[in-house]
Amino acid sequence: DGGITQSPKYLFRKEGQNVTLSCEQNLNHDAMYWYRQDPGQGLRLIYYSQIVNDFQKGDIAEGYSVSREKKESFPLTVTSAQKNPTAFYLCASSIGLNNPQHFGDGTRLSIL
Amino acid sequence: GNSVTQMEGPVTLSEEAFLTINCTYTATGYPSLFWYVQYPGEGLQLLLKATKADDKGSNKGFEATYRKETTSFHLEKGSVQVSDSAVYFCALSVYSGGGADGLTFGKGTHLIIQP
Repeated sequence: DGGITQSPKYLFRKEGQNVTLSCEQNLNHDAMYWYRQDPGQGLRLIYYSQIVNDFQKGDIAEGYSVSREKKESFPLTVTSAQKNPTAFYLCASSIGLNNPQHFGDGTRLSIL
Repeated sequence: GNSVTQMEGPVTLSEEAFLTINCTYTATGYPSLFWYVQYPGEGLQLLLKATKADDKGSNKGFEATYRKETTSFHLEKGSVQVSDSAVYFCALSVYSGGGADGLTFGKGTHLIIQP
């Protein structure tokens, strides 16, 4: 079955450490996205990528970095510069412009 | 800029009641509109969509009509079930000419259906 796989489901980070969240899709979608979800708030866009080797900042990119070396993969690194990283992170993909986005099951990141 | 406003929750209803969750938007250009549903501990699932004015999206008994004159996309269902308990997000996307921008989401409405 086609879909989006995020791993791990739960992730713990010590203060000052970088951590990378994985997102893989086998839907052959060109566009991929990372969102952050906090309690009582909607989703906020961190980064998105339209095509391999290209990505753009979203609304809250500070303290995060991404890469898009393969069409199937769009990993997100939460750096030590992100002062409040505890959140639920969701990855999504879409065929292209203005098309519905398909979401993974998310990764919950917590600070030890 | 783009924004989505939806009614605050939680919304608590009895089984078989009629459901309306209000959603209004502001957007530059002509947005596509979506409703997503999130069950506990999971990602979002697309529930329905509409891409132009007067379109009606429908799925699993839920409906929403794209109203350009009132900039609204209210979600309705005639008879809710306990299994409909979830968080519902209204969202929009606008083709800016620069590419596939991300979705703009409302804050979500937590729906609780009691037996």
